[in-house]
Amino acid sequence: NAGVMQNPRHLVRRRGQEARLRCSPMKGHSHVYWYRQLPEEGLKFMVYLQKENIIDESGMPKERFSAEFPKEGPSILRIQQVVRGDSAAYFCASSHPGANVLTFGAGSRLTVL
Amino acid sequence: GQNIDQPTEMTATEGAIVQINCTYQTSGFNGLFWYQQHAGEAPTFLSYNVLDGLEEKGRFSSFLSRSKGYSYLLLKELQMKDSASYLCAVRDAAGNKLTFGGGTRVLVKP
Repeated sequence: NAGVMQNPRHLVRRRGQEARLRCSPMKGHSHVYWYRQLPEEGLKFMVYLQKENIIDESGMPKERFSAEFPKEGPSILRIQQVVRGDSAAYFCASSHPGANVLTFGAGSRLTVL
Repeated sequence: GQNIDQPTEMTATEGAIVQINCTYQTSGFNGLFWYQQHAGEAPTFLSYNVLDGLEEKGRFSSFLSRSKGYSYLLLKELQMKDSASYLCAVRDAAGNKLTFGGGTRVLVKP
Protein backbone atom coordinates (compact mmCIF):
# COMPACT_ATOMS: atom_id res chain seq x y z
CA ASN A 1 0.00 0.00 0.00
CA ALA A 2 1.79 3.09 -1.25
CA GLY A 3 -0.10 5.56 0.93
CA VAL A 4 -1.11 9.01 -0.22
CA MET A 5 1.20 10.10 -3.03
CA GLN A 6 1.81 13.74 -3.79
CA ASN A 7 3.90 15.23 -6.55
CA PRO A 8 5.88 17.19 -7.13
CA ARG A 9 7.45 17.27 -3.68
CA HIS A 10 9.05 20.61 -4.44
CA LEU A 11 7.96 23.16 -7.02
CA VAL A 12 9.46 26.55 -7.83
CA ARG A 13 7.47 29.07 -9.83
CA ARG A 14 7.90 32.73 -10.75
CA ARG A 15 5.18 35.22 -10.01
CA GLY A 16 2.40 34.98 -12.58
CA GLN A 17 3.03 31.35 -13.52
CA GLU A 18 0.71 28.43 -12.82
CA ALA A 19 1.26 25.69 -10.26
CA ARG A 20 -0.33 22.24 -10.48
CA LEU A 21 -0.12 19.91 -7.53
CA ARG A 22 -1.22 16.29 -7.80
CA CYS A 23 -2.49 13.86 -5.21
CA SER A 24 -3.21 10.15 -5.58
CA PRO A 25 -5.22 8.90 -2.59
CA MET A 26 -4.62 5.62 -0.83
CA LYS A 27 -6.04 2.61 -2.61
CA GLY A 28 -9.74 2.33 -1.88
CA HIS A 29 -10.08 5.90 -0.62
CA SER A 30 -12.57 8.05 -2.47
CA HIS A 31 -12.43 11.21 -0.34
CA VAL A 32 -9.66 13.77 -0.80
CA TYR A 33 -8.85 16.86 1.26
CA TRP A 34 -6.36 19.65 0.54
CA TYR A 35 -4.71 21.69 3.30
CA ARG A 36 -2.20 24.53 3.22
CA GLN A 37 0.51 25.03 5.82
CA LEU A 38 2.61 28.15 6.19
CA PRO A 39 5.95 27.88 8.03
CA GLU A 40 5.54 27.43 11.79
CA GLU A 41 1.75 27.35 11.46
CA GLY A 42 -1.03 24.77 11.55
CA LEU A 43 -2.88 23.18 8.66
CA LYS A 44 -5.58 25.31 7.04
CA PHE A 45 -8.42 23.48 5.31
CA MET A 46 -8.90 24.37 1.67
CA VAL A 47 -11.23 21.90 -0.06
CA TYR A 48 -12.87 18.48 0.30
CA LEU A 49 -13.65 16.44 -2.80
CA GLN A 50 -15.15 13.12 -3.72
CA LYS A 51 -14.86 11.59 -7.17
CA GLU A 52 -16.10 14.22 -9.68
CA ASN A 53 -17.64 16.34 -6.91
CA ILE A 54 -16.52 19.27 -4.77
CA ILE A 55 -18.19 18.76 -1.40
CA ASP A 56 -16.80 21.69 0.61
CA GLU A 57 -14.61 24.46 -0.78
CA SER A 58 -15.12 26.90 2.06
CA GLY A 59 -11.36 27.27 2.60
CA MET A 60 -10.43 27.96 -1.00
CA PRO A 61 -9.52 31.52 -2.01
CA LYS A 62 -12.18 32.86 -4.35
CA GLU A 63 -9.76 33.64 -7.14
CA ARG A 64 -6.87 31.82 -8.81
CA PHE A 65 -7.36 28.53 -6.93
CA SER A 66 -9.27 25.51 -8.19
CA ALA A 67 -9.38 21.79 -7.41
CA GLU A 68 -10.69 18.71 -9.11
CA PHE A 69 -10.87 14.98 -8.51
CA PRO A 70 -11.77 13.32 -11.79
CA LYS A 71 -13.25 9.88 -12.22
CA GLU A 72 -9.85 8.62 -13.34
CA GLY A 73 -6.51 9.92 -12.20
CA PRO A 74 -5.27 12.01 -9.31
CA SER A 75 -6.79 14.99 -7.61
CA ILE A 76 -5.27 18.26 -8.80
CA LEU A 77 -4.92 21.57 -6.98
CA ARG A 78 -4.31 24.36 -9.47
CA ILE A 79 -3.06 27.81 -8.62
CA GLN A 80 -3.08 30.34 -11.43
CA GLN A 81 -0.94 33.52 -11.56
CA VAL A 82 0.94 32.61 -8.40
CA VAL A 83 2.06 35.32 -5.98
CA ARG A 84 4.72 35.18 -3.27
CA GLY A 85 2.04 34.68 -0.61
CA ASP A 86 1.16 31.34 -2.19
CA SER A 87 4.51 29.93 -1.03
CA ALA A 88 3.59 27.17 1.40
CA ALA A 89 3.39 23.42 1.87
CA TYR A 90 0.23 21.92 0.40
CA PHE A 91 -0.86 18.66 1.98
CA CYS A 92 -3.36 16.21 0.60
CA ALA A 93 -5.19 13.68 2.75
CA SER A 94 -7.56 10.87 1.88
CA SER A 95 -10.08 8.68 3.67
CA HIS A 96 -12.61 5.91 3.23
CA PRO A 97 -16.24 7.00 3.16
CA GLY A 98 -17.36 7.23 6.77
CA ALA A 99 -13.86 6.69 8.13
CA ASN A 100 -12.63 8.65 11.12
CA VAL A 101 -9.00 9.07 10.19
CA LEU A 102 -7.45 11.15 7.45
CA THR A 103 -4.18 9.83 6.03
CA PHE A 104 -1.84 12.55 4.84
CA GLY A 105 0.66 12.65 2.03
CA ALA A 106 4.17 14.06 2.44
CA GLY A 107 3.16 17.40 0.95
CA SER A 108 4.16 19.57 -1.98
CA ARG A 109 6.29 22.57 -1.15
CA LEU A 110 5.66 25.52 -3.44
CA THR A 111 8.13 28.38 -3.60
CA VAL A 112 7.20 31.47 -5.58
CA LEU A 113 10.12 33.66 -6.59
CA GLY B 1 -16.97 28.46 12.94
CA GLN B 2 -14.18 26.69 14.76
CA ASN B 3 -11.60 28.13 17.15
CA ILE B 4 -8.89 25.80 18.44
CA ASP B 5 -6.14 26.88 20.83
CA GLN B 6 -3.01 25.08 21.94
CA PRO B 7 0.33 26.31 23.28
CA THR B 8 2.92 27.22 20.70
CA GLU B 9 5.88 25.46 22.22
CA MET B 10 6.86 23.19 25.13
CA THR B 11 10.18 21.83 26.33
CA ALA B 12 10.67 18.68 28.37
CA THR B 13 13.44 16.30 29.38
CA GLU B 14 14.00 12.81 28.01
CA GLY B 15 12.16 10.27 30.17
CA ALA B 16 9.73 12.84 31.56
CA ILE B 17 6.02 13.42 30.91
CA VAL B 18 4.50 16.28 28.94
CA GLN B 19 0.84 17.28 28.68
CA ILE B 20 -0.32 19.31 25.70
CA ASN B 21 -3.64 21.06 26.22
CA CYS B 22 -6.14 21.95 23.54
CA THR B 23 -9.29 24.02 23.95
CA TYR B 24 -11.90 24.40 21.27
CA GLN B 25 -15.01 26.39 20.52
CA THR B 26 -16.97 24.94 17.65
CA SER B 27 -20.37 25.29 16.06
CA GLY B 28 -20.55 21.49 15.76
CA PHE B 29 -18.50 18.58 17.07
CA ASN B 30 -17.94 15.10 15.74
CA GLY B 31 -14.65 14.02 17.27
CA LEU B 32 -11.24 15.32 18.29
CA PHE B 33 -7.98 14.13 16.78
CA TRP B 34 -4.29 14.42 17.62
CA TYR B 35 -1.64 14.21 14.92
CA GLN B 36 2.15 14.23 15.16
CA GLN B 37 4.20 16.06 12.56
CA HIS B 38 7.98 15.96 12.30
CA ALA B 39 9.57 18.91 10.47
CA GLY B 40 9.13 18.60 6.74
CA GLU B 41 7.04 15.46 6.97
CA ALA B 42 3.41 14.39 6.75
CA PRO B 43 1.17 14.59 9.82
CA THR B 44 0.56 11.11 11.22
CA PHE B 45 -2.48 10.06 13.22
CA LEU B 46 -2.03 9.53 16.97
CA SER B 47 -5.45 9.39 18.62
CA TYR B 48 -9.17 10.00 18.30
CA ASN B 49 -11.72 10.88 21.01
CA VAL B 50 -15.44 11.30 20.45
CA LEU B 51 -16.72 10.43 23.95
CA ASP B 52 -15.57 11.93 27.25
CA GLY B 53 -12.69 10.20 28.96
CA LEU B 54 -9.21 8.90 28.45
CA GLU B 55 -7.94 6.86 25.52
CA GLU B 56 -4.60 5.16 26.11
CA LYS B 57 -2.30 3.90 23.40
CA GLY B 58 1.14 2.90 24.61
CA ARG B 59 3.14 5.92 25.76
CA PHE B 60 0.49 8.30 24.42
CA SER B 61 -2.90 9.05 26.00
CA SER B 62 -5.59 11.51 24.99
CA PHE B 63 -8.39 12.93 27.12
CA LEU B 64 -11.61 14.67 26.13
CA SER B 65 -14.21 16.72 28.01
CA ARG B 66 -16.92 17.82 25.60
CA SER B 67 -18.71 19.99 28.16
CA LYS B 68 -15.52 21.98 28.74
CA GLY B 69 -14.36 21.99 25.13
CA TYR B 70 -11.05 20.61 26.32
CA SER B 71 -8.63 17.88 25.40
CA TYR B 72 -5.08 16.98 26.28
CA LEU B 73 -2.44 14.71 24.84
CA LEU B 74 -0.15 13.08 27.38
CA LEU B 75 3.25 11.84 26.29
CA LYS B 76 5.01 9.59 28.82
CA GLU B 77 8.60 8.34 28.98
CA LEU B 78 9.66 10.96 26.48
CA GLN B 79 12.19 9.98 23.87
CA MET B 80 14.30 12.23 21.67
CA LYS B 81 12.31 11.09 18.64
CA ASP B 82 9.17 12.60 20.21
CA SER B 83 10.49 16.06 19.34
CA ALA B 84 7.86 17.17 16.83
CA SER B 85 4.78 19.32 16.43
CA TYR B 86 1.52 17.97 17.86
CA LEU B 87 -1.64 19.08 16.12
CA CYS B 88 -5.08 19.12 17.73
CA ALA B 89 -7.99 18.94 15.27
CA VAL B 90 -11.79 18.93 15.56
CA ARG B 91 -14.13 17.33 13.04
CA ASP B 92 -17.23 19.29 12.10
CA ALA B 93 -20.74 18.06 12.80
CA ALA B 94 -21.21 16.93 9.21
CA GLY B 95 -18.09 14.83 9.52
CA ASN B 96 -16.69 16.44 6.42
CA LYS B 97 -13.42 17.99 7.46
CA LEU B 98 -10.91 18.50 10.25
CA THR B 99 -10.08 21.97 11.54
CA PHE B 100 -6.61 22.15 13.04
CA GLY B 101 -5.09 24.25 15.78
CA GLY B 102 -1.78 25.96 15.23
CA GLY B 103 0.18 23.02 16.62
CA THR B 104 2.44 22.68 19.66
CA ARG B 105 6.14 22.24 19.01
CA VAL B 106 7.63 19.90 21.62
CA LEU B 107 11.37 19.89 22.14
CA VAL B 108 12.79 16.95 24.09
CA LYS B 109 16.17 17.63 25.68
CA PRO B 110 18.64 15.03 26.94
